Amino acid sequence: DAKTTQPPSMDCAEGRAANLPCNHSTISGNEYVYWYRQIHSQGPQYIIHGLKNNETNEMASLIITEDRKSSTLILPHATLRDTAVYYCIVREQGSQGNLIFGKGTKLSVKP
Amino acid sequence: ETGVTQSPTHLIKTRGQQVTLRCSSQSGHNTVSWYQQALGQGPQFIFQYYREEENGRGNFPPRFSGLQFPNYSSELNVNALELDDSALYLCASSFSGTTQYFGPGTRLTVL
Repeated sequence: DAKTTQPPSMDCAEGRAANLPCNHSTISGNEYVYWYRQIHSQGPQYIIHGLKNNETNEMASLIITEDRKSSTLILPHATLRDTAVYYCIVREQGSQGNLIFGKGTKLSVKP
Repeated sequence: ETGVTQSPTHLIKTRGQQVTLRCSSQSGHNTVSWYQQALGQGPQFIFQYYREEENGRGNFPPRFSGLQFPNYSSELNVNALELDDSALYLCASSFSGTTQYFGPGTRLTVL
């Protein structure tokens, strides 16, 4: 079973920041938080990952709470093309393979 | 640098037949993982190959088998196809268990 909990759906206005929450209260010390997104019928796209510190790349920012029990993915200026299902996954780096996907959050960006 | 590619993109088979799906890993990657995604669900881990050996397996029956070749490309074979095998099959490559990058998937329909 997935070790994360996400809201099933969220809406965001185009041009505004999209803040997607994720709870992972049972995360262990060597597990990273990964975010992927999946646009309809395409393969999941890697977005960002982090362990303890906040991370930023060209796609998004990841904010992890100090106790590491939750995190937020931030898309700073959402566009219509950001409409997708967003998955938050916890995983050991270098572990034997599997990403355990939950149901994710369906983000709808509206004009 | 080429990304993960999969072939074919779509496939239609009938119950009882066998199918082979192919995946070419991203340049520099040595690990391939396969996932099955049924309609409306998140991807489910099938198995992973590292250095041509199976390196972890999810809850799938033995009629799901695979191979990895010396160039790190991989095949997924499914024997005795069932209607429930209809799904999007995804492969993801990584370097030694680090971040996984997904291909576009193969849509398999079993009639």
